[in-house]
Amino acid sequence: SQTIHQWPATLVQPVGSPLSLECTVEGTSNPNLYWYRQAAGRGLQLLFYSVGIGQISSEVPQNLSASRPQDRQFILSSKKLLLSDSGFYLCAYARSNSYEQYFGPGTRLTVT
Amino acid sequence: GNSVTQMEGPVTLSEEAFLTINCTYTATGYPSLFWYVQYPGEGLQLLLKATKADDKGSNKGFEATYRKETTSFHLEKGSVQVSDSAVYFCAPAGQNFVFGPGTRLSVLP
Repeated sequence: SQTIHQWPATLVQPVGSPLSLECTVEGTSNPNLYWYRQAAGRGLQLLFYSVGIGQISSEVPQNLSASRPQDRQFILSSKKLLLSDSGFYLCAYARSNSYEQYFGPGTRLTVT
Repeated sequence: GNSVTQMEGPVTLSEEAFLTINCTYTATGYPSLFWYVQYPGEGLQLLLKATKADDKGSNKGFEATYRKETTSFHLEKGSVQVSDSAVYFCAPAGQNFVFGPGTRLSVLP
C-alpha cells in the first residue's frame, strides 16, 4: 500500500530564518508530487508540482522553492522566511497515470 | 484552466439533517470530479469521485452525481452526524489540480 509522510508536524520559526520541509512517498514509483499551502480558514493554493526527478513547476511567484532529489522525495525550502509564509503546508502525490491525489498529514508553520 | 465555485460556508446543521453542498466547475473536456474532506488539523482525504457524466460517487453516506449539462457535482447526505463536521472541497481533476475554496460544515448534536 502507498503512504505519504511529512515532517515536521509543527514548526515555529523566526522571520528571516531558513526553512526545509520534507515529504516522502512509499509504495509507488514515479509519482506526481505536489506542495500546497493553506492559510488559516482558506482553501488550498498549489505552490509546486513535479512529474519527475529534478522537474519542478512553480504555480505562483513567492519566497519558496522546491526540489525533488529522489523519485519519492519532495522538499520545500526557503532561504528567508516572511511572516506571510505562515500556514498549513500539505504535500500530496498522485500515481503517474492518475489525477487522484493523496495527501500527507501536513506541517503547520508559524513564522514569528 | 479549470475553476471551481463552491457554496460559501459555514454551514451549520443539526444532527440528522439533510446536507447539500453545491459545486459547479469550468473545465476543458470532461474531467474526473472529486470531493475531498479535511477534518480539523489533518490533511485532505478523498471522500468520493466520479469519472464520467451521470456517474454517482458515494462513500460514508455521502453522494454526488456528475452532471455534465449543468457542470455540477453537488455533495449530499441524507442524515448528517456530528462526526461529519469538517471542511469539504470540490475539485475537477487536471494536471494543475484546482480545489474549490472549501465549505466548512458544523453539525450540532
